[in-house]
Amino acid sequence: NAGVTQTPKFRILKIGQSMTLQCTQDMNHNYMYWYRQDPGMGLKLIYYSVGAGITDKGEVPNGYNVSRSTTEDFPLRLELAAPSQTSVYFCASSYSRGGLGAGNEQFFGPGTRLTVL
Amino acid sequence: AQRVTQPEKLLSVFKGAPVELKCNYSYSGSPELFWYVQYSRQRLQLLLRHISRESIKGFTADLNKGETSFHLKKPFAQEEDSAMYYCALSGRRDGANNLFFGTGTRLTVIP
Repeated sequence: NAGVTQTPKFRILKIGQSMTLQCTQDMNHNYMYWYRQDPGMGLKLIYYSVGAGITDKGEVPNGYNVSRSTTEDFPLRLELAAPSQTSVYFCASSYSRGGLGAGNEQFFGPGTRLTVL
Repeated sequence: AQRVTQPEKLLSVFKGAPVELKCNYSYSGSPELFWYVQYSRQRLQLLLRHISRESIKGFTADLNKGETSFHLKKPFAQEEDSAMYYCALSGRRDGANNLFFGTGTRLTVIP
C-alpha cells in the first residue's frame, strides 16, 4: 500500500492564481482531512470528510474548497491564492470516527509545500 | 475551546539522559491525547495514544487530568529519537476524528 499520497510536492503560485492539491489514499479509510502548517506552528485543520459526498469545515477553511466524490480522493482547491496561504499542506486519513479504539490513528501524507508570491 | 500547549520549541539532551517533552491541554470534555512524531525526511506518524497505555520505542505518556498534562517521557534518550514531536488532542464531540495539535518540540539527542 502506498498509504496517503499527495501531489505536487512543491508549488509556487502568483497572487490570484488557483490550484488544486491532490490527495489519494489506498487504505479504504472513510475519514480524510486537510491540515496546514505555518512555520513554527502546529497543524491546523482546514476541511475534513467523513465519507464520499460529505465534507465539513475545520478550524481555518477560508480561502479553500474541497470535494469528496470517491472514497480514495480528497482534493483541496485554492481559488484565489494569497500570500497568507503560503504553508505546508498535509492530507491525512483515518478509519473510524473517534472514541476509544485503534481506529483513531490518522495516517499522513508527505505534504505539499506551497509558496504564494 | 480546545488548546494544546507545548512550551518548549527546542529541547536538547545527551544520549542516555532522561527526556521529558511537556504537553498541557485545555478541553471541557473527555479528550483523547496523542503524541505524533516526524523524523527527518519522513512523514508525520503516530507514536502513542493515552488510551493504549503502551510504551513505544521506550516512550511513555500518562494523562494527568488534574494537571491537564500529557508529558512524553523516556528514561534513556537515543540518537534516533531526534525528531519533531507533536502533542495532539481529539475531542469526541467534534466531527470525525479531528485533531488539535500543539506547536511541536524539536528534540535533539547529542551523542
